[in-house]
Amino acid sequence: NAGVTQTPKFRVLKTGQSMTLLCAQDMNHEYMYWYRQDPGMGLRLIHYSVGEGTTAKGEVPDGYNVSRLKKQNFLLGLESAAPSQTSVYFCASSYSRRQGVYEQYFGPGTRLTVT
Amino acid sequence: GQQLNQSPQSMFIQEGEDVSMNCTSSSIFNTWLWYKQEPGEGPVLLIALYKAGELTSNGRLTAQFGITRKDSFLNISASIPSDVGIYFCGLSGGYQKVTFGTGTKLQVIP
Repeated sequence: NAGVTQTPKFRVLKTGQSMTLLCAQDMNHEYMYWYRQDPGMGLRLIHYSVGEGTTAKGEVPDGYNVSRLKKQNFLLGLESAAPSQTSVYFCASSYSRRQGVYEQYFGPGTRLTVT
Repeated sequence: GQQLNQSPQSMFIQEGEDVSMNCTSSSIFNTWLWYKQEPGEGPVLLIALYKAGELTSNGRLTAQFGITRKDSFLNISASIPSDVGIYFCGLSGGYQKVTFGTGTKLQVIP
């Protein structure tokens, strides 16, 4: 099993450009999440999904959109990148609570710089 | 929103020393989590705590869920160089969403 994978690993964008970050998991997890990590602020939840075709806002959703068309994939989109979106982005996935397992599995991260 | 305070922010210790870090919450939650993040990697779960007063060990790591349900601590005994990283506490809520602390950066001096 590859676990949680993210592409790309690094990206540099100019202000106003758009891009999509791809997250894939092969563990048949119900739930998937996108976080951003900034120095001194820990990880903050952007959006999450509790199943195929469903998405919900997290703590810092502005400027981002997401889609979960397939259970194993969760896409994070930036329509018009801003320097404030320079960050490291992590995708995570987990089983649903009814399965009694609470661990989130994280991908290796995507380092995004917006100039 | 949920306030989660983690301390200390950073620590420099000598190899072989014991380490202690803690988190406090402004609200009561049912699940405390401790993660470690190594440079260039995503966080990895170390210990999960589900009941007030629970004390759980994972090798040289020990974590406790405070009796008040608003705090938790993580101890690392006899630190080694590979303990270097950022340690995050977290609270698990609905749909397994995790609220993370700001992290404790640990540096071990050989």
